[in-house]
Amino acid sequence: DARVTQTPRHKVTEMGQEVTMRCQPILGHNTVFWYRQTMMQGLELLAYFRNRAPLDDSGMPKDRFSAEMPDATLATLKIQPSEPRDSAVYFCASGSPMTNPNYGYTFGSGTRLTVV
Amino acid sequence: GQNIDQPTEMTATEGAIVQINCTYQTSGFNGLFWYQQHAGEAPTFLSYNVLDGLEEKGRFSSFLSRSKGYSYLLLKELQMKDSASYLCAVNTNAGKSTFGDGTTLTVKP
Repeated sequence: DARVTQTPRHKVTEMGQEVTMRCQPILGHNTVFWYRQTMMQGLELLAYFRNRAPLDDSGMPKDRFSAEMPDATLATLKIQPSEPRDSAVYFCASGSPMTNPNYGYTFGSGTRLTVV
Repeated sequence: GQNIDQPTEMTATEGAIVQINCTYQTSGFNGLFWYQQHAGEAPTFLSYNVLDGLEEKGRFSSFLSRSKGYSYLLLKELQMKDSASYLCAVNTNAGKSTFGDGTTLTVKP
């Protein structure tokens, strides 16, 4: 089965450090999402890309977060500087919602980030 | 923006039927997804509705009424493994998908 690969699976870092999370979407999917999940906020949409172009990053704190898709096989989410309130599970998901919505999105296993 | 509401928690008995409701308000509606998420795992896709009516997939069915901004997920012949969080997500014409907070379903013997 095709899968979305996220690295690292777990990350513990000190406040103020830079964190980079990576995602390899499923080949052929044209839309990539970054979500953050916490107990308090549920699944929040941070940013998404279609055909590698950023469409909406309004859910992301712009001063410290950045999302890029340098090529079709890699999406990145960076936090600099990290803060304890950024502790969450970060999910990447890919799909082709405009052409194949009946398959939904496939989520990666997530990156569990802890900022101390 | 989008406003999506689901009950926070539900409890049901093994073998029974449970209906999980989702109401939404959005502009540019272009379909509604249901996902299942077990504790500590990623969400997995269950169903997609874009037209009014019922879509059936084995023990799971999903219903949509666009005029009412309402959907439900129906789970039949409940099994213990169905204990999970169920998330509805609204898709827009721009292909943006926003999730509700999820309904935690507990299935008891």
